[in-house]
Amino acid sequence: NAGVTQTPKFQVLKTGQSMTLQCAQDMNHNSMYWYRQDPGMGLRLIYYSASEGTTDKGEVPNGYNVSRLNKREFSLRLESAAPSQTSVYFCASSRAGLASYNEQFFGPGTRLTVL
Amino acid sequence: GENVEQHPSTLSVQEGDSAVIKCTYSDSASNYFPWYKQELGKRPQLIIDIRSNVGEKKDQRIAVTLNKTAKHFSLHITETQPEDSAVYFCAASAPSGTYKYIFGTGTRLKVLA
Repeated sequence: NAGVTQTPKFQVLKTGQSMTLQCAQDMNHNSMYWYRQDPGMGLRLIYYSASEGTTDKGEVPNGYNVSRLNKREFSLRLESAAPSQTSVYFCASSRAGLASYNEQFFGPGTRLTVL
Repeated sequence: GENVEQHPSTLSVQEGDSAVIKCTYSDSASNYFPWYKQELGKRPQLIIDIRSNVGEKKDQRIAVTLNKTAKHFSLHITETQPEDSAVYFCAASAPSGTYKYIFGTGTRLKVLA
């Protein structure tokens, strides 16, 4: 099992450019998440998908959109990148469901720099 | 709103000593409390978790305690080793049905040889 995979690993964008971060999991998990990690700020939730077909905003959703393409894949899109979106982005998945919370498995991260 | 406070932000201990990291959560409905370890440049990985129906859980040198009344939980690492040096995050489950997790801001632990 590959677990949670993310592409790309690194990306440099210019202000105003758009891009999509891809995430896939092969653990048959219901829930998937996108976090950003900035120095001293911990992990902040951008968007999450509790189950296939649903998405909800997290703590810092502005400037982002998501698509839960199917049970395996959850993508994060930056429509018009800004320097404030320079960060490390982590995708995660969990077997959470039926009112039960469980371990989150994280992808390797995408280091994004916006110039 | 939902909040998890974590202290201290940095912690240095001598090899072989114990380390304790504390977290406080705001939502009394939280019922799952994981701890993640993140080594430099790597992804966070679960090291131990506890559910609200348990007061303490141990796994070798690592233990977690939970005080539901006070709404705080702690990570204890005994006999620390250099490889324990990392950033540790606590988290708490958000209200039932949301399947969100609220993370603390992290503790950078340095184990000095």
